[in-house]
Amino acid sequence: AQKVTQAQTEISVVEKEDVTLDCVYETRDTTYYLFWYKQPPSGELVFLIRRNSFDEQNEISGRYSWNFQKSTSSFNFTITASQVVDSAVYFCALSEASTGNQFYFGTGTSLTVIP
Amino acid sequence: NAGVMQNPRHLVRRRGQEARLRCSPMKGHSHVYWYRQLPEEGLKFMVYLQKENIIDESGMPKERFSAEFPKEGPSILRIQQVVRGDSAAYFCASSPGQGWHTQYFGPGTRLTVL
Repeated sequence: AQKVTQAQTEISVVEKEDVTLDCVYETRDTTYYLFWYKQPPSGELVFLIRRNSFDEQNEISGRYSWNFQKSTSSFNFTITASQVVDSAVYFCALSEASTGNQFYFGTGTSLTVIP
Repeated sequence: NAGVMQNPRHLVRRRGQEARLRCSPMKGHSHVYWYRQLPEEGLKFMVYLQKENIIDESGMPKERFSAEFPKEGPSILRIQQVVRGDSAAYFCASSPGQGWHTQYFGPGTRLTVL
């Protein structure tokens, strides 16, 4: 079973629009960690955020915000006032305390911001 | 303050040849992870190593693939007798500890098997 599901394969928005990338996860652990990474066209993976399962506070960093809801097992990512430089593939990932070593990645959402 | 280094960035091999991918973790990091990204897919865990030890290789194919992280030098992912299906991006990540620690990724090695 897929532990991390990113149902949106591709999204296109016009510059300055807001966009939300969905991430749903599945785990039996009570202690786990969630991550978002950005993969721009150049191919590297850029770390964006880490949340632990005991902290459901939403987080905002500039134009980026994250909404963590344990009740729906979701960890969604919103970009406000999107810019062309936001065009990338975004991956959500899960790390479980019981397995610890590996990250489980979703299949990614490809975001294109049109100028 | 260098990040995770991987080389080469691009590697082309013919079927049957060997591929060696190298990874130098971030300074101060002693935990290394290898992931494979097939086209249009997310990353899949392959192996987790600490210095001189393979801790978890549950994601490694049973044959032709091996990994090491010697006491000195980079971690090496070795693929023997490559086949076309091995064409992928291979990412290395490092962390200061296991589990909850954030893994920081290198730029990846794109392997193309002709």
